[in-house]
Amino acid sequence: LAKTTQPISMDSYEGQEVNITCSHNNIATNDYITWYQQFPSQGPRFIIQGYKTKVTNEVASLFIPADRKSSTLSLPRVSLSDTAVYYCLVGTYNTDKLIFGTGTRLQVFP
Amino acid sequence: ETGVTQSPTHLIKTRGQQVTLRCSSQSGHNTVSWYQQALGQGPQFIFQYYREEENGRGNFPPRFSGLQFPNYSSELNVNALELDDSALYLCASNDRGQEQYFGPGTRLTVT
Repeated sequence: LAKTTQPISMDSYEGQEVNITCSHNNIATNDYITWYQQFPSQGPRFIIQGYKTKVTNEVASLFIPADRKSSTLSLPRVSLSDTAVYYCLVGTYNTDKLIFGTGTRLQVFP
Repeated sequence: ETGVTQSPTHLIKTRGQQVTLRCSSQSGHNTVSWYQQALGQGPQFIFQYYREEENGRGNFPPRFSGLQFPNYSSELNVNALELDDSALYLCASNDRGQEQYFGPGTRLTVT
């Protein structure tokens, strides 16, 4: 299974765009990239998933370069409620065994 | 809210005791997975049940066991509790091969 590397923490201010980059050098051809969000004392919540290029939904965008060795989660105009831990996962499409790393702790300040 | 519920919310046990944690799946989901999340770490996969059969297991000893019932609810049992078992235990349900929905977790403290 491909291992992922993310920054341990990031700080931002309300209204700014936040980009969290994840490195996955050993990603396999069949692997997708999925991001989860977790608030304290809650279970992780699916944010977005992609295979290549760019994916956008109502919450975030996911940018994946052609070599797929990294990906960037982009959160537009963050608010205080976006303060959470963000996990980047790599695995086959909707794999049943999710492999989480330590995630990126995002702190949004007023 | 995902529709996945877990009980109890918090639990304190003594080393050597046994514990049972419960999970009620979201309606229509036939697969349940259990994860252990230690403080400051990401969730770690324990095992998964699909239609009442174990369908994959992570790197956890046999004293971690589980059940899935005909209504797709599930139990996680841990025997001979150790201090390192203190963690948030998360249950996730899904229709097999589809997105997993997590419950709020059970916080277990072993003293």
